[in-house]
Amino acid sequence: AQSVTQLGSHVSVSEGALVLLRCNYSSSVPPYLFWYVQYPNQGLQLLLKYTSAATLVKGINGFEAEFKKSETSFHLTKPSAHMSDAAEYFCAVHDNAGNMLTFGGGTRLMVKP
Amino acid sequence: DSGVTQTPKHLITATGQRVTLRCSPRSGDLSVYWYQQSLDQGLQFLIQYYNGEERAKGNILERFSAQQFPDLHSELNLSSLELGDSALYFCASSGVFSGELFFGEGSRLTVL
Repeated sequence: AQSVTQLGSHVSVSEGALVLLRCNYSSSVPPYLFWYVQYPNQGLQLLLKYTSAATLVKGINGFEAEFKKSETSFHLTKPSAHMSDAAEYFCAVHDNAGNMLTFGGGTRLMVKP
Repeated sequence: DSGVTQTPKHLITATGQRVTLRCSPRSGDLSVYWYQQSLDQGLQFLIQYYNGEERAKGNILERFSAQQFPDLHSELNLSSLELGDSALYFCASSGVFSGELFFGEGSRLTVL
């Protein structure tokens, strides 16, 4: 079974600082990997996805993630945090058999002024 | 706006009761997914339907059931409710699977 692990349930950064949210996956086949964001009182929305094309994937709002097969990682980064980035971020892996996504436990990003 | 509509947005009920949550997918999307989000369990996949047929089943309790109707809307039925069923229930839809799920804003269920 495929799974993802997000290291750190809470991450706090200062406004303007680098954002790094960690995700490691476990998959027996080349995975499709995703980052979703959930703002307060809203549903999840797609930030970016990796589907075996370029290993560096750019998403919305200045976020990007790099697929590293050797490290089984798909960490999410943003060079400069903005207050509006405060949200919960979920890494997810695609289940090739069932067409469903399995989500990690989520990381709540807090941005300090 | 994702295009996925969930009703009701909030629901408060008592233990032992039964509730129905409704989801209208994005226009043209054939797949509907139900997820439960709680503080202790995180985001858990419950069940998926594709064009009216059950496609995948996750951690869905026997007290819970779902269906997808010919017009593609879906309902999640929760019965014999327990305090631990209090959670945010999300519906999501997708078309030809690209990995992108479009989520509704959720139905917040509180069981007292």
